[in-house]
Amino acid sequence: GAGVSQSPSNKVTEKGKDVELRCDPISGHTALYWYRQSLGQGLEFLIYFQGNSAPDKSGLPSDRFSAERTGGSVSTLTIQRTQQEDSAVYLCASSLDGRIRTQYFGPGTRLLVL
Amino acid sequence: QQQVKQSPQSLIVQKGGISIINCAYENTAFDYFPWYQQFPGKGPALLIAIRPDVSEKKEGRFTISFNKSAKQFSLHIMDSQPGDSATYFCAARVPSGSRLTFGEGTQLTVNP
Repeated sequence: GAGVSQSPSNKVTEKGKDVELRCDPISGHTALYWYRQSLGQGLEFLIYFQGNSAPDKSGLPSDRFSAERTGGSVSTLTIQRTQQEDSAVYLCASSLDGRIRTQYFGPGTRLLVL
Repeated sequence: QQQVKQSPQSLIVQKGGISIINCAYENTAFDYFPWYQQFPGKGPALLIAIRPDVSEKKEGRFTISFNKSAKQFSLHIMDSQPGDSATYFCAARVPSGSRLTFGEGTQLTVNP
């Protein structure tokens, strides 16, 4: 594809349910990042993948959050037992070589936990 | 811990005016300072970036001024246009890392 794609674009769920958010990076990009953007806030780093491994997952806010990447491509961010404070836009970015100059963001998934 | 503070939260300027957004950081280990532009419903897009060994960088109407001793940097948008209306984020990166620490964002409105 031409850019980073994320699905779903919007997700409404009930408190306590699990959700999965998907990111399709730009083909050939080895680095992948997840960020969270809460209303009126800047972006908060969650996790970074290089290939299929995650050398930096220090931003995951709790053990309810996990992410995986398979085949060096698609990544899934899973939030278990969602809470209302998890409501935010979840942004994925990919980079050709880990450099900021080659990093592109997707449009995000807007998650609302009722 | 908020390591990058951004101001103002919102800014309104007239077409043709200069928009100025400021950021201050705490971690002297930061080695790269990008600015991002975000339109509603879109992800942020890299606008311009600077390294701390440079005091100013200009690309078209966009200029970053960097003051290492004060640990501050700012984005100047010259001849602001209505199409510049967006949210702007400053960010900073630590060496040998790929994560960015972002400011809180500035919502810029340029009136025609």
